[in-house]
Amino acid sequence: AQSVSQHNHHVILSEAASLELGCNYSYGGTVNLFWYVQYPGQHLQLLLKYFSGDPLVKGIKGFEAEFIKSKFSFNLRKPSVQWSDTAEYFCAVNAPGYQKVTFGTGTKLQVIP
Amino acid sequence: EPEVTQTPSHQVTQMGQEVILRCVPISNHLYFYWYRQILGQKVEFLVSFYNNEISEKSEIFDDQFSVERPDGSNFTLKIRSTKLEDSAMYFCASSVTGYNEQFFGPGTRLTVL
Repeated sequence: AQSVSQHNHHVILSEAASLELGCNYSYGGTVNLFWYVQYPGQHLQLLLKYFSGDPLVKGIKGFEAEFIKSKFSFNLRKPSVQWSDTAEYFCAVNAPGYQKVTFGTGTKLQVIP
Repeated sequence: EPEVTQTPSHQVTQMGQEVILRCVPISNHLYFYWYRQILGQKVEFLVSFYNNEISEKSEIFDDQFSVERPDGSNFTLKIRSTKLEDSAMYFCASSVTGYNEQFFGPGTRLTVL
């Protein structure tokens, strides 16, 4: 069975600070990986995804993530956060051939102006 | 940009009552999903639906739950006899195929008293 761990439950950063949110997954085979974001009062939106190819994936709003297969990790990064990045971030995994997406517990990011 | 919509945004019901949660997936999508998030817990997969059939379901999706596509646009989740532990945010999602990213609706908050 798939599982996803997000190490940080709540992160507080000042504007312009760099961000890295950790995500590790557990699954024996090939996986598809996602980061979703939920802004306050809004629905889950896809930030970026990895299916295959270049392990460094660029998403919307300046976010990127790197798939490191040997570490079963898919950490999310942004070099300089903005107040508008305040949201909850969810790492998720899905096994190719299956529709079920397994989510991590989420990391609440608070950016202080 | 097309979006998944859900109604109602908040539903309050008494234990033992039946509830129907409604979703309108994105119009050219073929796969539909329900997830739930109990307060403070992970987003959990319930069921996926394709071609008028359930294609995958989790162990949570027992006989108390059913899904239906009653017409060409709506996708519903029915809980036959609600329990206190069914209180959660229920998210509908859709995707073009079973192997693309899933687009989520804003959720219905179900409160069972």
